[in-house]
Amino acid sequence: RKEVEQDPGPFNVPEGATVAFNCTYSNSASQSFFWYRQDCRKEPKLLMSVYSSGNEDGRFTAQLNRASQYISLLIRDSKLSDSATYLCVVNMYNFNKFYFGSGTKLNVKP
Amino acid sequence: GAGVSQSPRYKVAKRGQDVALRCDPISGHVSLFWYQQALGQGPEFLTYFQNEAQLDKSGLPSDRFFAERPEGSVSTLKIQRTQQEDSAVYLCASSLGAAGGRGASTDTQYFGPGTRLTVL
Repeated sequence: RKEVEQDPGPFNVPEGATVAFNCTYSNSASQSFFWYRQDCRKEPKLLMSVYSSGNEDGRFTAQLNRASQYISLLIRDSKLSDSATYLCVVNMYNFNKFYFGSGTKLNVKP
Repeated sequence: GAGVSQSPRYKVAKRGQDVALRCDPISGHVSLFWYQQALGQGPEFLTYFQNEAQLDKSGLPSDRFFAERPEGSVSTLKIQRTQQEDSAVYLCASSLGAAGGRGASTDTQYFGPGTRLTVL
């Protein structure tokens, strides 16, 4: 079983739509959680960190559910520029490894 | 800019050749990571350095893979006797503090553009 699992998508949504992705992790000792964005043939870039019960940054909201071991990413009012692959990342404090999911592909269409 | 740089950006090797991939992290960053990303997959951890110390190399797929960071800044990932299954994008990332610390400022990883390795 992989440490981090994501629905690969693609999620095809119209501009202005609200879309949500989930990510599950297998190790209950995980402590740090992140969402990264990766454009085609580019490097991953940090979108949001999630440390406690959740974060909000403009149109983006990340939620953490420790009991069920999942994090979610909600994107409101989708823009064409949001089209990318969204990577869920998990880390345990005092450990060096960061585990990436395979990513969820989002296509926002006009 | 002052981001992470990697060279070469593209490398084509014949099977059996040795290759060396270079990473220049952000100046002052303590942590340096190497990842391997296959097509359609997320990055897979290879190895981690804290300054010049290689604290974790558990992700290196075989003894053909070797990484070093002798002065705690630039790092090199070397692959000996390349095989076709080594074809992937090799990403380097750096972060300010030691991995495993608390706080976003120490855990955020900044990635380089990657080296796309193709083994024929």
